[in-house]
Order: sequence, then structure tokens, then C-alpha cells
Amino acid sequence: DVKVTQSSRYLVKRTGEKVFLECVQDMDHENMFWYRQDPGLGLRLIYFSYDVKMKEKGDIPEGYSVSREKKERFSLILESASTNQTSMYLCASGGLEADTQYFGPGTRLTVL
Amino acid sequence: DAKTTQPPSMDCAEGRAANLPCNHSTISGNEYVYWYRQIHSQGPQYIIHGLKNNETNEMASLIITEDRKSSTLILPHATLRDTAVYYCIVRDPWYNNNDMRFGAGTRLTVKP
Repeated sequence: DVKVTQSSRYLVKRTGEKVFLECVQDMDHENMFWYRQDPGLGLRLIYFSYDVKMKEKGDIPEGYSVSREKKERFSLILESASTNQTSMYLCASGGLEADTQYFGPGTRLTVL
Repeated sequence: DAKTTQPPSMDCAEGRAANLPCNHSTISGNEYVYWYRQIHSQGPQYIIHGLKNNETNEMASLIITEDRKSSTLILPHATLRDTAVYYCIVRDPWYNNNDMRFGAGTRLTVKP
């Protein structure tokens, strides 16, 4: 079974803190993705990566950065957390078969 | 990517087949049909995908009409644990922007 794990299920941070969200996949997938999910807005793509050290901006990259030093690991960084970044963050990895994406359990981040 | 239309909600009796429809009348030749589901507060779970032919796996069957303008996801023996929001996505996996565009989905409630 494909496994995508995220470092935390729930996280509470203060405004201005630096936040790291980690994602690890065990399927040797080339592509990895970070989304956020908000009520009424669906899934929105923040960043994706199609190879180690490669990254591409998604629809809403502002306020975020990413790091992919190893194939299996894709990190999302909030340089200075703000209250409007309170959301559910979902990591996904995608394989070569029609680029089917497999999602992690999500991290519900609250910024106070 | 082609737009999809799904009913907002459906009920199904436990043990019966759940048939979830999806219209995608503007689908193009390279676009696949993907189905995911999301149980409350969890990450989306991949179910099945297909291009032209009907597909079956251990979770579900996917029936795609010959003109590919609609499809049906079938859960053969629904259980209470199948209660979730089901998303139908139509997407070209080799298109430049690789994200999954989830719509509103169908909220399936399986009742005892």
C-alpha cells in the first residue's frame, strides 16, 4: 500500500512563528504536492515538486516555501505564520500511472 | 481541465450497491476520470481511475459511457464506513499544471 505520512495531525502556532510541515512518501514517486483545504474553497495547490531540489509554484504560493532535498521527503515552510494560514494542509505524492495522487492524512494548523 | 457535475448528496442502505454518477460532457481525449473520497477530517483517499474502459479494483468499479461524457462509481456493498464525500475529477495527467481540482463532490450517507 502507498503510504504518505505527515509529521503532525494537529498543530497550534502563534503569529510570526516559523512553521515546518513535513511529508514523507514510501513509493519512490517523482512528484509531490502541497495543498491547503478550506471550507467552500476546495483544494488549492501551494507548491509541487517533480524531482529532488526542483519546485514549482502552484496557485497560492505567497507566504510559503518548500524544500525537497530527498526524493521521499517534501517540506512546506511558513516563514512567518499568519492567522489567514489557519487551514488543513494536505501533502500528496504522484506516480507515473496517470499521475494518480495519493494523499497524506493532513495537518490541521491553527495560527493564533 | 473538464468540469464535472455531481449530485450534492445521496443516501444508500447498508449492504446495497451505491451508484454515484458524474457528468463530464466537455471531457477531452487525453483526460482521465479519477475518483477520490474524503472522510471527515482526513486526507482524500484514492479510489479508482480510468480513461475509456470500465475499471474494477478491490474498492469499487468505474463505469465510463462510450462517449465518455459521464461515469458512475459503484461501491458494490456499501458499509457505514463508506460514508464520505466522493469527488469525481477529470484531468489530463500530462498537462503542465499537475494539481487535482476537487469540486464540491457528493456526500454519500450509508444508513443502517
